Amino acid sequence: DGGITQSPKYLFRKEGQNVTLSCEQNLNHDAMYWYRQDPGQGLRLIYYSQIVNDFQKGDIAEGYSVSREKKESFPLTVTSAQKNPTAFYLCASSSAYEQYFGPGTRLTVT
Amino acid sequence: DAKTTQPPSMDCAEGRAANLPCNHSTISGNEYVYWYRQIHSQGPQYIIHGLKNNETNEMASLIITEDRKSSTLILPHATLRDTAVYYCIVRVWTNAGKSTFGDGTTLTVKP
Repeated sequence: DGGITQSPKYLFRKEGQNVTLSCEQNLNHDAMYWYRQDPGQGLRLIYYSQIVNDFQKGDIAEGYSVSREKKESFPLTVTSAQKNPTAFYLCASSSAYEQYFGPGTRLTVT
Repeated sequence: DAKTTQPPSMDCAEGRAANLPCNHSTISGNEYVYWYRQIHSQGPQYIIHGLKNNETNEMASLIITEDRKSSTLILPHATLRDTAVYYCIVRVWTNAGKSTFGDGTTLTVKP
């Protein structure tokens, strides 16, 4: 089955801890993205990567970090510097004309 | 990327056509109109996209005005499973991911 895998589906952390969200794709897409979604709102772009070993900040990158060491993988680290980390996080990858999304990870920080 | 404006919510009777409007008055000549939908707590799903011609696929039809400043997504026979948030976005073809998703339209299909 081709697609995007995000794990885990639900994640709970204590304030002050860094946490890494996993995103894997087997669609052979060069481009991958991370979005954040807060309740009742649209998606906001955190980081994106158009090729291995390269990535760019999106609209709300502060408090987040990423790496792109493999084409298939684009993990997102939510650092303790992120002031409001509780949210629904969506990973996506794209071909030239279509963008596919993973099922999301719901992060709760208390 | 151009910004879009959508009504926050719409209702539709089951079996009837759902017509979801989108305004994108600042769209550039090289920007496409894309539609996605998001069922609660899932990732968005691609529906359809177009540049200037009307498009149709197995899920929906996309009507783009001649001046390209607005478009309408048509679900010809809405079912209860079509209840979702529908996002209209515009973006350049090769810049597929770097796009802004607004708050979308919450479509509620009622029996």
